[in-house]
Amino acid sequence: SQQGEEDPQALSIQEGENATMNCSYKTSINNLQWYRQNSGRGLVHLILIRSNEREKHSGRLRVTLDTSKKSSSLLITASRAADTASYFCATANTGTASKLTFGTGTRLQVTL
Amino acid sequence: DAGITQSPRYKITETGRQVTLMCHQTWSHSYMFWYRQDLGHGLRLIYYSAAADITDKGEVPDGYVVSRSKTENFPLTLESATRSQTSVYFCATRPLSGNTIYFGEGSWLTVV
Repeated sequence: SQQGEEDPQALSIQEGENATMNCSYKTSINNLQWYRQNSGRGLVHLILIRSNEREKHSGRLRVTLDTSKKSSSLLITASRAADTASYFCATANTGTASKLTFGTGTRLQVTL
Repeated sequence: DAGITQSPRYKITETGRQVTLMCHQTWSHSYMFWYRQDLGHGLRLIYYSAAADITDKGEVPDGYVVSRSKTENFPLTLESATRSQTSVYFCATRPLSGNTIYFGEGSWLTVV
């Protein structure tokens, strides 16, 4: 079964707007990561947040982590058409940190 | 530097045939992974390897065989392909001391 579940499954916004994706997970984690996948390509790492961190920024990306609710959110500010992709959260679980468990992804469409 | 090379990129095979998907990395990363990606299921881990001659099952190992005689190669074999194994297969690597997983471009497999 999937560890992470993203919400929403699909999101359509206009260029310049912010996009927020949420991820919920089930077990204790060492860290949570977000990946991006362009259509027909492999996944690319975006950002990692450790279990003892609450918020992290990287460029236009902002990730939050609430371990009490077992949830994380990815905010992309000032979206661009080039941000159109699928976004996946992935958890490195306590005790099995060598491998990542991925969620089902959010498909983001940014229109001009 | 290609990083991770998967071959073949596209394959159509018949039910019952043996198929091997190749994965080659140039980074000498310790960990290698095989994931399959299906609509509605996200990415699911099939097998992974921490080093040469060390492999372990992931979430969905049935029907698959792996080997890792050399650090740089991690082939995935479907011993007797079934239609349910129609999927996109991703090879990925991770350095021993890092958390980020690096993905190949994927192998599209159709079993008819």
